Amino acid sequence: ETGVTQSPTHLIKTRGQQVTLRCSSQSGHNTVSWYQQALGQGPQFIFQYYREEENGRGNFPPRFSGLQFPNYSSELNVNALELDDSALYLCASSLDQEFNEQFFGPGTRLTVL
Amino acid sequence: AQRVTQPEKLLSVFKGAPVELKCNYSYSGSPELFWYVQYSRQRLQLLLRHISRESIKGFTADLNKGETSFHLKKPFAQEEDSAMYYCALSSSGNTPLVFGKGTRLSVIA
Repeated sequence: ETGVTQSPTHLIKTRGQQVTLRCSSQSGHNTVSWYQQALGQGPQFIFQYYREEENGRGNFPPRFSGLQFPNYSSELNVNALELDDSALYLCASSLDQEFNEQFFGPGTRLTVL
Repeated sequence: AQRVTQPEKLLSVFKGAPVELKCNYSYSGSPELFWYVQYSRQRLQLLLRHISRESIKGFTADLNKGETSFHLKKPFAQEEDSAMYYCALSSSGNTPLVFGKGTRLSVIA
């Protein structure tokens, strides 16, 4: 059984650019949730993908978007990057939209200059 | 609105001393509460949840609805308990988790 993986580990972008982060879910899981963790804060829910559709969204603007693929892997896209987007982005996989049994990936550290 | 408060950013205790990490929540219904832990250089992982009433690595947490608290306790701290601890709340299994800001536990030898 393989765990949740994320890529890249780190990246640096400048304001106004666009970024794509990737997540591969744990074997057997069909749901991926994305979280933003700013420095000194707990993870904050961005959105969840289930069966390739967005299934719930937190308080994030539309420039945060995502995709889920038939193999259940997922992408998080952020357009028009702002300095405040600098954070650790976590994805978590689970089965059938569950939040109570989530397994987290190691995260992608995004720095916006 | 759902809210989780962890009043201590950092808690330092000596090895063998009791530990209590505080968590208070704000939610009008019946919440599901969790403790997550992140050890150094490791990913965030579930430590325990109130619904299962289990003890993991010697830690326990009791939901007190009257005080809206879910404090994490361990009678004798060990050095390997040093980590970042997050309390989280969900209104049901299919609603997103709301996390507190976390408490860093440092166990001093």
